Amino acid sequence: DTGVSQDPRHKITKRGQNVTFRCDPISEHNRLYWYRQTLGQGPEFLTYFQNEAQLEKSRLLSDRFSAERPKGSFSTLEIQRTEQGDSAMYLCASTPRGGQSVDEQYFGPGTRLTVT
Amino acid sequence: QKEVEQDPGPLSVPEGAIVSLNCTYSNSAFQYFMWYRQYSRKGPELLMYTYSSGNKEDGRFTAQVDKSSKYISLFIRDSQPSDSATYLCAMTSGTYKYIFGTGTRLKVLA
Repeated sequence: DTGVSQDPRHKITKRGQNVTFRCDPISEHNRLYWYRQTLGQGPEFLTYFQNEAQLEKSRLLSDRFSAERPKGSFSTLEIQRTEQGDSAMYLCASTPRGGQSVDEQYFGPGTRLTVT
Repeated sequence: QKEVEQDPGPLSVPEGAIVSLNCTYSNSAFQYFMWYRQYSRKGPELLMYTYSSGNKEDGRFTAQVDKSSKYISLFIRDSQPSDSATYLCAMTSGTYKYIFGTGTRLKVLA
């Protein structure tokens, strides 16, 4: 078990460009979450998948953001037409299938996005 | 008012001290409470998980929940320089939606 992995770890992009991040959850974890964390703040919920179904999207997730989880395995988060306000750490977390009534989330190392 | 309030610190203590970290919350529906440790530029790591009120101990860490006061605490005994990190509280009413505090930055001085 290698834990939750995220790729890339760092991304620098120019305003207006599109970026895509990938998250590989712990194998057989059927629930996957995306969060955004800015400096000095806690993680803010963005979206949640159970298997391949996206069950909830935060209003923080504007129409420039889209997330997918094909086949219920890895997930991607795409940001189109990036803005400087998108600069943040994007965190992925997963929870085990058949876990306790409330999931214990396991976080990846995050992708740090800088929009110049 | 935020749903979860946490003093951002920084909190500096000498090695060996007992550290007390706290969060207050406003949503009485919260029933599940977690503490995470986050080192600089890393993802959060789950430390403690408690349900409803009461205490839970794991090694040098003790988590306390007082639902009547809407107040949770994390105590670290015999603090070590390696405990220097940001500590995040998180809570949920039982859904997938977790609300995090802003985190308290802790520095343990050798």
